[in-house]
Amino acid sequence: GNSVTQMEGPVTLSEEAFLTINCTYTATGYPSLFWYVQYPGEGLQLLLKATKADDKGSNKGFEATYRKETTSFHLEKGSVQVSDSAVYFCALGRTSYDKVIFGPGTSLSVIP
Amino acid sequence: NAGVTQTPKFQVLKTGQSMTLQCAQDMNHEYMSWYRQDPGMGLRLIHYSVGAGITDQGEVPNGYNVSRSTTEDFPLRLLSAAPSQTSVYFCASNHPGTNIQYFGAGTRLSVL
Repeated sequence: GNSVTQMEGPVTLSEEAFLTINCTYTATGYPSLFWYVQYPGEGLQLLLKATKADDKGSNKGFEATYRKETTSFHLEKGSVQVSDSAVYFCALGRTSYDKVIFGPGTSLSVIP
Repeated sequence: NAGVTQTPKFQVLKTGQSMTLQCAQDMNHEYMSWYRQDPGMGLRLIHYSVGAGITDQGEVPNGYNVSRSTTEDFPLRLLSAAPSQTSVYFCASNHPGTNIQYFGAGTRLSVL
């Protein structure tokens, strides 16, 4: 079946450090891939997405590239800020009518 | 722009009590879903609906009922609350043409 695996957290970084959160997936066909972010006390919100192989999604300085050959969609940011402290969820959806599958989430804390 | 509105934000129940978690969206989305979020387990789908009058079970439906009488509203009912239902509940909606889900702010439920 479809599934998403993320690196376990929590991840703690100093401000301006480089961030990578690994995400790999298992799915039939060609799913769309997503990163959602959940700030403390809030619901999830879409951070970025990619709909086909080699697509790069980007938003707010975050990037992720859809790698079909390695079934991966790793999230990166060159210089994190304290305001990036949140939980990050990788997710996939095979078609627009399909249920979205979420990974377990990775908690990020950025310290000044 | 209200988006997805959930009420209440917090609730404490005693074992065996019943209650309804409310969810309303003003984006005219056909698809709506209920998730629960537990530490280390990410988001798990409880029930979902692809339109008024149509509902189906997700991954963890036991102990929960739903109905969808209008496009806007998708209430979640706990018939007889149990401590295992202590969790944070999120409602989400999306247009059938996209997997991008819009989440409410959540309801934090404690069952004693």
